[in-house]
Amino acid sequence: GENVEQHPSTLSVQEGDSAVIKCTYSDSASNYFPWYKQELGKRPQLIIDIRSNVGEKKDQRIAVTLNKTAKHFSLHITETQPEDSAVYFCAARDWAGSYQLTFGKGTKLSVIP
Amino acid sequence: EPEVTQTPSHQVTQMGQEVILRCVPISNHLYFYWYRQILGQKVEFLVSFYNNEISEKSEIFDDQFSVERPDGSNFTLKIRSTKLEDSAMYFCASQERGPYEQYFGPGTRLTVT
Repeated sequence: GENVEQHPSTLSVQEGDSAVIKCTYSDSASNYFPWYKQELGKRPQLIIDIRSNVGEKKDQRIAVTLNKTAKHFSLHITETQPEDSAVYFCAARDWAGSYQLTFGKGTKLSVIP
Repeated sequence: EPEVTQTPSHQVTQMGQEVILRCVPISNHLYFYWYRQILGQKVEFLVSFYNNEISEKSEIFDDQFSVERPDGSNFTLKIRSTKLEDSAMYFCASQERGPYEQYFGPGTRLTVT
């Protein structure tokens, strides 16, 4: 089955700096990669996703890049703000087959004002 | 904006007791899921449900677990005889149709004593 590794497990950045979180996956059939943000005590919220037919997707301060050859994808947050502090999870899924998500272990991002 | 809801938010039960966790998926969604997250660990897939039957389940989802959609709105997870290791946050998720995004509920924290 699919295995998703996520690094780092914790990340502290100064407000205004960029943050990068990286994930690798094992199953070459996976072709959908969402990112979820989970604030303390709240639900995981989908913040951005990417499908394998594109290499990069941006939404304001958030971007995701995908390298299918290397089987890794990354979340980039620019101009970080204190409200970006949360746990971020990457996930992978075979878009056309099984719909279950396989998650990484999460990255706790702290943005220091 | 419609959201997945779950009740209760926290359930405490004694080992060996049965629990039922309830979810109300987003109304026009057709695919339903249960995931769990043991404290400090990754989110893990339990089961997916479509067209009134289980479409996939993980190794975690053994005979102690069952799911049901008793009416047009609720989706339940039953644990027949709880064990200490069932203590976790249980998330329900729903998806509108095939290859679409999954949206998560706020979770039920299950504590087995």
